Amino acid sequence: DTEVTQTPKHLVMGMTNKKSLKCEQHMGHRAMYWYKQKAKKPPELMFVYSYEKLSINESVPSRFSPECPNSSLLNLHLHALQPEDSALYLCASSRPGPVGRGNTIYFGEGSWLTVV
Amino acid sequence: SQQGEEDPQALSIQEGENATMNCSYKTSINNLQWYRQNSGRGLVHLILIRSNEREKHSGRLRVTLDTSKKSSSLLITASRAADTASYFCATYPPFGNEKLTFGTGTRLTIIP
Repeated sequence: DTEVTQTPKHLVMGMTNKKSLKCEQHMGHRAMYWYKQKAKKPPELMFVYSYEKLSINESVPSRFSPECPNSSLLNLHLHALQPEDSALYLCASSRPGPVGRGNTIYFGEGSWLTVV
Repeated sequence: SQQGEEDPQALSIQEGENATMNCSYKTSINNLQWYRQNSGRGLVHLILIRSNEREKHSGRLRVTLDTSKKSSSLLITASRAADTASYFCATYPPFGNEKLTFGTGTRLTIIP
């Protein structure tokens, strides 16, 4: 069982809609991530938050807007998406490690997004 | 961009046989991890091997790492139907940001 909870599990939205994906963890982790995964492809990193500050943005289009309200919550705000943005969106968390450490990442079950 | 490539892309074996998957990566690493993903689900961490380690075991899993060849292998012994999943290797860069990058993955099917 995962200790990273994502809601909703499924989301269908139109290209003019505004919606949000939510993620919550209670493991005391201070690094949180959004990954995007297309069918039969590996997950691709989108954003990393470390101690509630955005530390990595992998050149993600501005129609995706992340937010980390506190150390347990991570949101991904969606606006004016395109059909090609349809994918599985995975949230994850880990303990930030010392430089060069690289810790285990714990994933949620994902949110399936369909843009119509 | 993907750091690692895995082969084979797909593998089907009979239950009880051993399954071996290989991962090659491009740049130096801090550590290499293996994850499993059941169809349409989240990823589950299996095992982590550090760049100064050559082999690691966890239950029916055996991972090797050859940093000179920039490659790793994952061996699952005595496979079970429940092992059917996609398996990904993933690496961190050596200088400590939180950017875990996944390989292309191997889809493993265990035939009962």
